Amino acid sequence: GENVEQHPSTLSVQEGDSAVIKCTYSDSASNYFPWYKQELGKRPQLIIDIRSNVGEKKDQRIAVTLNKTAKHFSLHITETQPEDSAVYFCAARGSTLGRLYFGRGTQLTVWP
Amino acid sequence: DAGVIQSPRHEVTEMGQEVTLRCKPISGHDYLFWYRQTMMRGLELLIYFNNNVPIDDSGMPEDRFSAKMPNASFSTLKIQPSEPRDSAVYFCASMGQGHNTGELFFGEGSRLTVL
Repeated sequence: GENVEQHPSTLSVQEGDSAVIKCTYSDSASNYFPWYKQELGKRPQLIIDIRSNVGEKKDQRIAVTLNKTAKHFSLHITETQPEDSAVYFCAARGSTLGRLYFGRGTQLTVWP
Repeated sequence: DAGVIQSPRHEVTEMGQEVTLRCKPISGHDYLFWYRQTMMRGLELLIYFNNNVPIDDSGMPEDRFSAKMPNASFSTLKIQPSEPRDSAVYFCASMGQGHNTGELFFGEGSRLTVL
């Protein structure tokens, strides 16, 4: 099956700085890469996703890039705010019908 | 739509007791997933169903765990007998049409504590 690695496990930034979280995957057949945000005590929720036929996607302060050759994708958050503090999970969906493989998560802390 | 509904939200039980967690997926969604979340292991997929049929249960840790989906609007995850190491947050999630790019909608989770 697919194996998704996520780094770093923790990330602390000052408000206004940028944050980057990186993930790699192993299955070259994977074609869908979502990112989920989980605030403390809450459920994971989708914040952005990218398909394998697209190299980059942006939504306001967040963007995701995908390098299919290298099999890695990244989440970029610009102008971070304290409310961005949460655990972020990357995931990949490949040849296994329906199944999402999640990374271990990154605890992002934004200091005011 | 009320979203994915899980119950109970919190459960505290003693080792050896049976635990049953319940999930109602979003109406019309044909995939249902059970995840377990712990600090040590992150989000682990336990089992998932497509059209009420279990597709992959390789994540179910032991025979003590079982899951059913008797119809499209209800699923249960049962642990019998429970052990302290089963303490975790259990999430149910559902997904609808367009499974290759579909969004997973999570319930609010059931926090289980086994003493």
